[in-house]
Amino acid sequence: SQQGEEDPQALSIQEGENATMNCSYKTSINNLQWYRQNSGRGLVHLILIRSNEREKHSGRLRVTLDTSKKSSSLLITASRAADTASYFCATDARGGKLIFGQGTELSVKP
Amino acid sequence: EADIYQTPRYLVIGTGKKITLECSQTMGHDKMYWYQQDPGMELHLIHYSYGVNSTEKGDLSSESTVSRIRTEHFPLTLESARPSHTSQYLCASSERGDPYNEQFFGPGTRLTVL
Repeated sequence: SQQGEEDPQALSIQEGENATMNCSYKTSINNLQWYRQNSGRGLVHLILIRSNEREKHSGRLRVTLDTSKKSSSLLITASRAADTASYFCATDARGGKLIFGQGTELSVKP
Repeated sequence: EADIYQTPRYLVIGTGKKITLECSQTMGHDKMYWYQQDPGMELHLIHYSYGVNSTEKGDLSSESTVSRIRTEHFPLTLESARPSHTSQYLCASSERGDPYNEQFFGPGTRLTVL
């Protein structure tokens, strides 16, 4: 079964609003990463949070990690139409591999 | 921007054809990966390599094969394509010494087998 599960599967908001996506995982991790994928393209790394960190910021992105609940959230503040994309969480697995969640499809309407 | 390239970007072929999807990176990364992704779905790891002459199968069984003769090059081959192989194939790479394993992705190859 998938290590990461994301919620919601799809999210539609207006420009300027905040978008929150959640990711849950099953086994212990060393780090959790978030990636963005524009339609039909490759993934772009957004942010990495280590297992001993609880919160991390990068520009308009804020990531939290709760290892006791095995969950993470990605907050995009003041969203823009250009933020429209799919967002994936990924957890590290043995051998340096990553396991990706199913993704949240974000649509930001102008 | 990551220097990892995939060709072709789009490929439409008939059943039974042999195809090779190319992936090259100029970052000197030791680790390279192939993922398969259906529309709107998660990525599934099908092959990975930790260096020259090292290849391993991923978590999703695939009829494709890979080779790693040069550090920068990680091609994927399907000997006889079938409609069930229709999907997007994403190549990625990461540094060997990176304990946190950030991966850099190519733009993908969208394969359609008729």
